[in-house]
Amino acid sequence: AQTVTQSQPEMSVQEAETVTLSCTYDTSESNYYLFWYKQPPSRQMILVIRQEAYKQQNATENRFSVNFQKAAKSFSLKISDSQLGDTAMYFCAFMSGAGSYQLTFGKGTKLSVIP
Amino acid sequence: DSGVTQTPKHLITATGQRVTLRCSPRSGDLSVYWYQQSLDQGLQFLIQYYNGEERAKGNILERFSAQQFPDLHSELNLSSLELGDSALYFCASSVTSGRVADTQYFGPGTRLTVL
Repeated sequence: AQTVTQSQPEMSVQEAETVTLSCTYDTSESNYYLFWYKQPPSRQMILVIRQEAYKQQNATENRFSVNFQKAAKSFSLKISDSQLGDTAMYFCAFMSGAGSYQLTFGKGTKLSVIP
Repeated sequence: DSGVTQTPKHLITATGQRVTLRCSPRSGDLSVYWYQQSLDQGLQFLIQYYNGEERAKGNILERFSAQQFPDLHSELNLSSLELGDSALYFCASSVTSGRVADTQYFGPGTRLTVL
């Protein structure tokens, strides 16, 4: 079974600064997908970014980018120019590329952006 | 707005009761996933339906059941409720034909409180 570990329960960052959230995962599969979801105080789960394991290039979405290290099974999220609206829980998630497409989530990192 | 709708938003009931949570997927999405988010267990996959058929099961209790109807909406039935069933229940949907791992988009969730 796959496991996802987020070792930072809480983090804070000053507005306009850059912050990196860590995620490691354990799998024996070679074909899989990784995601970061954001859950603001409204509790809505919002997709931030997606990475296919077969792609070497790191995914980027505006101020959000990932550092995907397949050999190390590491998938960190970098948020640049942090904004107050980035305050949320961030969940790293794993999806197998074969069979069931269920998401396996980490425990989450609570990010606070300080004005 | 993800395009996935869930009703009701909040549900308060007593132990031993039965409730039904409803989910309408995004237009065009054939797969529906149910997840439970609780303080002690985090985000857990419960069950997936694809085009009316059960596709995968996760950590779903026998007291829980689900179905997907011809119009693709889904219902999650929770019976003989216990205090520990109090949680946020999410529905997510994706196109997912079964051959491609598509991104899952989440609904706003149903907050269940069992007293």
